[in-house]
Amino acid sequence: EPEVTQTPSHQVTQMGQEVILRCVPISNHLYFYWYRQILGQKVEFLVSFYNNEISEKSEIFDDQFSVERPDGSNFTLKIRSTKLEDSAMYFCASREGTGASQPQHFGDGTRLSIL
Amino acid sequence: AQSVAQPEDQVNVAEGNPLTVKCTYSVSGNPYLFWYVQYPNRGLQFLLKYITGDNLVKGSYGFEAEFNKSQTSFHLKKPSALVSDSALYFCAVRDPEDTGGFKTIFGAGTRLFVKA
Repeated sequence: EPEVTQTPSHQVTQMGQEVILRCVPISNHLYFYWYRQILGQKVEFLVSFYNNEISEKSEIFDDQFSVERPDGSNFTLKIRSTKLEDSAMYFCASREGTGASQPQHFGDGTRLSIL
Repeated sequence: AQSVAQPEDQVNVAEGNPLTVKCTYSVSGNPYLFWYVQYPNRGLQFLLKYITGDNLVKGSYGFEAEFNKSQTSFHLKKPSALVSDSALYFCAVRDPEDTGGFKTIFGAGTRLFVKA
């Protein structure tokens, strides 16, 4: 079964540095998402992306964050000038085309540790 | 505004006993409802969904869920729990008008412990 893949599985970065988290969604999916989960708790929505633009974003997704789909396969989340509180698991998800009834498919996440 | 609540942080059940993980929702109109499971160091995996029709929906790994419109609930159930069912379970709700699925709302999660 096709999967969403995320790299790296664990990223350690110094506070203030930039980090890029990478995701390869399922190939025929059209909707892409980033979520964050702190300490195995609530899954927090960050941003959704469709047709090469951001569709929705939460209040968490401030100017520090950006997303990009540079080459039609990868979907990246960039965090500029990381802060200690950015330490979390970051999950990418994708979903097939039309209709609100289809579930999202999640990758296994990138654990981001800010030192 | 849409919301979903999972009133129990943790559910403990003995292996072989039935389990229930509770979920209630608030959304205008008829919601789309989902259950996901998360095993340690893994992403969320889709278990089942309610879109329309029969209030009892069946999903993966022997799980089922019952949609109750009057109680605005969508509780996850399994007749006989396994130790391997121990995981974190998330309920999610989506407005059918939101065809992009941009506003899927996840509950806070319920940790299920199944004791041998």
